[in-house]
Parts: sequence; C-alpha cells; structure tokens
Amino acid sequence: EVQLLESGGGLVEPGGSLRLSCVASGFGFSGNVMSWVRQAPGKGLEWVSKLTPSGDLTWSAGSVRGRFSISRDNSKNTLYLQMYNLRPEDTALYHCVREGFYFFENWGPGALVTVSS
Amino acid sequence: QSALTQPASVSGSPGQSITIFCTGTSSDVGAYDYVSWYQQHPGKLPKVIISAVVNRPSGVSPRFSGSKSGNTASLTISGLQPEDEADYYCLSHTPGHIWVFGGGTKVTVL
Repeated sequence: EVQLLESGGGLVEPGGSLRLSCVASGFGFSGNVMSWVRQAPGKGLEWVSKLTPSGDLTWSAGSVRGRFSISRDNSKNTLYLQMYNLRPEDTALYHCVREGFYFFENWGPGALVTVSS
Repeated sequence: QSALTQPASVSGSPGQSITIFCTGTSSDVGAYDYVSWYQQHPGKLPKVIISAVVNRPSGVSPRFSGSKSGNTASLTISGLQPEDEADYYCLSHTPGHIWVFGGGTKVTVL
C-alpha cells in the first residue's frame, strides 16, 4: 500500500522559514516524479513544485519561485520542501503527491503551515 | 500561469447528468492530452477520477467520463447520485513542466 506522510508543519511568523518532509513507502520512491500541492483553508488546490526521480530537475509555481526549494533523498525515501520568506498567503495544508503518468496518483494527508504574527 | 476556469458550482437532481467545463488556453488544455480530474469530498483527500482527458482509473464509476474540445475539457457525471456531491478540480500540464489546476467546482445534488 502506498503511504505518504508529511511532517514539519507549524506556526511561523511572516518572513520566517520552515522545512516540510514527506516519508514515502509502499512503492519505488526513487523511480517516481514527486510534487507538492497546497490547499489554503476553504480554498482550491494549487500546485507548488515538482522534481524528477533523480532530483536533478525541479520546477515551481510562480507564486513560490525563488522562495521555496524542493529536494529529495532517495536513500531515505523522503521528499522535502524548504520554504523561505513565508507570507500569510502561504498558509495552507501542504500535500506530498506521487505522480502517475501525467496525473496525481497518491496524496499524503498533508502538513498544515500557518503564517501569522 | 493562470488557473484554469471552472464554474464555481453546478447542481442537478438524482439521476440527471451534469457536465463541468474546464477552460484553459492553447498553451495548456489545448496543447496537451494531459488533463485530469479530481473529486474531493469535505475533509477528504482529492481522488483522481479521470486521467489523460478520457481515462478512468480502476475502481472509478463508469458514470464519470471526460472529453476535450479545443481549449476546454469536460467532466460529465451521468446518473447523478447523492455521493457525487463534492468539489471537482481539473488539472492540466503546461509548457515548462508546470501544472495548473482549475479553481474547483462544487457539485450539489438537489
């Protein structure tokens, strides 16, 4: 069974930093494209960032480009999202997502990030 | 990259058919056959119900079907049932390996 479990969420002040982790199990993590997707409270889904199986190529949404960095450690079956210069509008539930063939196949339950003073 | 356009809400009576439209541009929906649809019940995780415009993953009800014409993708729910009441999102691949979601559509079963 595919399992994705995020951690590292919390309350942070505007301008602060946070690193999310996602531990994967039940599939060949090192062979999969992975993404982060967020959902602000009561709002829709927003794709944040993705990277290739080896981690050598990454892409991010314009709203987070230059502030967020995605990475992975295939030896630990773990995906990361390093977030800098956080803003109130970054407040959301952040989901780790395993991509299938051009769709989002499996979702983790999410880590809640709240940016507030 | 702007979000794809979906109606905020669609409603129908049990047994009816409804269609949700997802409008993009010639750079996203119109350029790739990589549109997928997700169903999200309140407090639950999104679940893929259509991939690659028309493919229905194993276990998804055949009442759900997808199509595309030009820059607009569509999700049709036939024989609407109470359990279909949920939020629905479209997702499209775009140039530069960027993904973009639609704003979401709330389906209400009357």
